[in-house]
Amino acid sequence: LAKTTQPISMDSYEGQEVNITCSHNNIATNDYITWYQQFPSQGPRFIIQGYKTKVTNEVASLFIPADRKSSTLSLPRVSLSDTAVYYCLVGDMNSGGYQKVTFGIGTKLQVIP
Amino acid sequence: DGGITQSPKYLFRKEGQNVTLSCEQNLNHDAMYWYRQDPGQGLRLIYYSQIVNDFQKGDIAEGYSVSREKKESFPLTVTSAQKNPTAFYLCASTQGSVPLHFGNGTRLTVT
Repeated sequence: LAKTTQPISMDSYEGQEVNITCSHNNIATNDYITWYQQFPSQGPRFIIQGYKTKVTNEVASLFIPADRKSSTLSLPRVSLSDTAVYYCLVGDMNSGGYQKVTFGIGTKLQVIP
Repeated sequence: DGGITQSPKYLFRKEGQNVTLSCEQNLNHDAMYWYRQDPGQGLRLIYYSQIVNDFQKGDIAEGYSVSREKKESFPLTVTSAQKNPTAFYLCASTQGSVPLHFGNGTRLTVT
């Protein structure tokens, strides 16, 4: 699986848009990009997944440039409840890509009142 | 309402004792996983199973054992050989391209 790099931590004020970027220079042709959110003492929760360009759901948007060597998770108008750790994963999820999935340290987002 | 159930939420054991953590899913997923998380760290893969009666070691399998006798169950035994067993343990499952679905974890404390 492709190695990913994300910032260790970020702070944001309530109501602001937050963008978390993940680098994955060795992404393979069949790899998808998936983001998870984890609150303390809970399991990670799926947020969004994409392959190229832009994906949007009710929670977030995912921007993927043409070269796919990075991706940006965008959280619109964050609230205190968005304070969590966010993980970026890259892998071929259609072919048992989760076989050896290991989550990195993730990005700890702190939303400030 | 489908999901993954991990029990118990908190578990306390004395050093030298084996302990088994339960993971049950009713999502009809073929693949199941066990992760370990230490404070301030990411998740590390212990074992995974893609089908009943088959499982593979992850990155930190030493001191752990698993079984997969039923599709819906994937128990993890933390043996006395595990040097630092105190951690947060997470079970997950998936099927095909479906994103990983996690349980709410078991926090194991060994003293």
